[in-house]
Amino acid sequence: EPEVTQTPSHQVTQMGQEVILRCVPISNHLYFYWYRQILGQKVEFLVSFYNNEISEKSEIFDDQFSVERPDGSNFTLKIRSTKLEDSAMYFCASSQGWDSPLHFGNGTRLTVT
Amino acid sequence: GDSVTQMEGPVTLSEEAFLTINCTYTATGYPSLFWYVQYPGEGLQLLLKATKADDKGSNKGFEATYRKETTSFHLEKGSVQVSDSAVYFCALSETNTGNQFYFGTGTSLTVIP
Repeated sequence: EPEVTQTPSHQVTQMGQEVILRCVPISNHLYFYWYRQILGQKVEFLVSFYNNEISEKSEIFDDQFSVERPDGSNFTLKIRSTKLEDSAMYFCASSQGWDSPLHFGNGTRLTVT
Repeated sequence: GDSVTQMEGPVTLSEEAFLTINCTYTATGYPSLFWYVQYPGEGLQLLLKATKADDKGSNKGFEATYRKETTSFHLEKGSVQVSDSAVYFCALSETNTGNQFYFGTGTSLTVIP
C-alpha cells in the first residue's frame, strides 16, 4: 500500500538554527499537510497546501515557518531560527481529495537544544 | 470552534477484555469523525471513520457509532489483543473549514497477556 514517507526520523538542532523537514506524499494525492504534536499534547494543525500554494494555516504557522513543493514529489517544512518550544513530533499527511481521510507519515521528531 | 475531547489514559487491559475509549466533539457544522491509531514508532493510521449521524465505522474488530444527539463517537472492541496496544486518536474534519483535522489528545492502550 502506498505510504507517506518522512525524513529524517529524528533531527536534533541548536536553538536559532534552521531546519528542513522532508516528506514524500502519496503520488496521486493532491492535498498536503503538516501537523505537529508537542509531547503529551494534542496533534495540532499547522498548514495545508494545494495546487502549489498554502490553502490554510493555523496561528502556529507564523513567519518562522514555510512550506514548499520544490519538485513533483517532495513537500518540505522549513523552520527558521528554531526555538526550544519548536521541539515536537512533526507529521506530514496527504489526501486524495477535499474531504478524503488523511494518510500520515511516521513523523520527524525535532529536538531543539 | 471545533474540538475533540477524548478519555484520558493510559488504559491497561487484559487480553480479551472489552474496550471503550470515549470521544465527544464540538463542531459548528456536520463533521466527519475518525479514529486514528499510532503503533509504537509509526505514524497515524486511519482505523475507521463515519461521515454522518448514525453511521457506524468498523475495522479490525473496532467499532464506533456517530451519535449526533450526544455528540459522541466512542471506540469499542469486544475482545482486545496484545497487538492492539497503541495510542488511539479521535478526530473530526469539516469541509467548511477545508480539510483541517482536529484531534483529541490520544489515549494510550496497553493490553497485557
